[in-house]
Amino acid sequence: DGGITQSPKYLFRKEGQNVTLSCEQNLNHDAMYWYRQDPGQGLRLIYYSQIVNDFQKGDIAEGYSVSREKKESFPLTVTSAQKNPTAFYLCASSIKRGQGSITGELFFGEGSRLTVL
Amino acid sequence: GEDVEQSLFLSVREGDSSVINCTYTDSSSTYLYWYKQEPGAGLQLLTYIFSNMDMKQDQRLTVLLNKKDKHLSLRIADTQTGDSAIYFCAESAVTGAGSYQLTFGKGTKLSVIP
Repeated sequence: DGGITQSPKYLFRKEGQNVTLSCEQNLNHDAMYWYRQDPGQGLRLIYYSQIVNDFQKGDIAEGYSVSREKKESFPLTVTSAQKNPTAFYLCASSIKRGQGSITGELFFGEGSRLTVL
Repeated sequence: GEDVEQSLFLSVREGDSSVINCTYTDSSSTYLYWYKQEPGAGLQLLTYIFSNMDMKQDQRLTVLLNKKDKHLSLRIADTQTGDSAIYFCAESAVTGAGSYQLTFGKGTKLSVIP
């Protein structure tokens, strides 16, 4: 079945360590996104990528980095520069307008919960 | 910039109707969406409405759009305990490269009392 797979589902990190969250999709979507979710804060956009080898900062990119070397994969690295990394991270993807979807629906993974010890 | 506002909590009794409200600011939004998030999971699209529509009904779900007031609502008829979740309102904008950029509200946590 097609979908988005995030791993790991739970991750613990010591302060000062970098960690990488994986996001893989087999939906053949061009665009991919990373969101951060905190209680009562809703979803905030960290980074997004509209095409391979290109990505853009979202609203809260500081302390994070991404890469988009393959269409299927959009990993997120939470660096030691991120002051408050404990959160639930959601990856999503979508089709570009005019490529079969007119609704702009985002398809989400099941999320990764990062806890800093 | 775009902003989407919704109340944070709603509590209803099983069998009653639930109404979740949302206001948005971007009058150029083409689509408006309702997403559902169950505990510890990702978001799933519940329904969407095109901006030139006033209402959309899909089984127990009714979406009402007042474009003049930039107000969107989601009504769930005969609310069940399985409807307990966080509901997110979202509006869309198309980027210069043709991708969709969604702005989400903070989510309304619906609690259904048996």
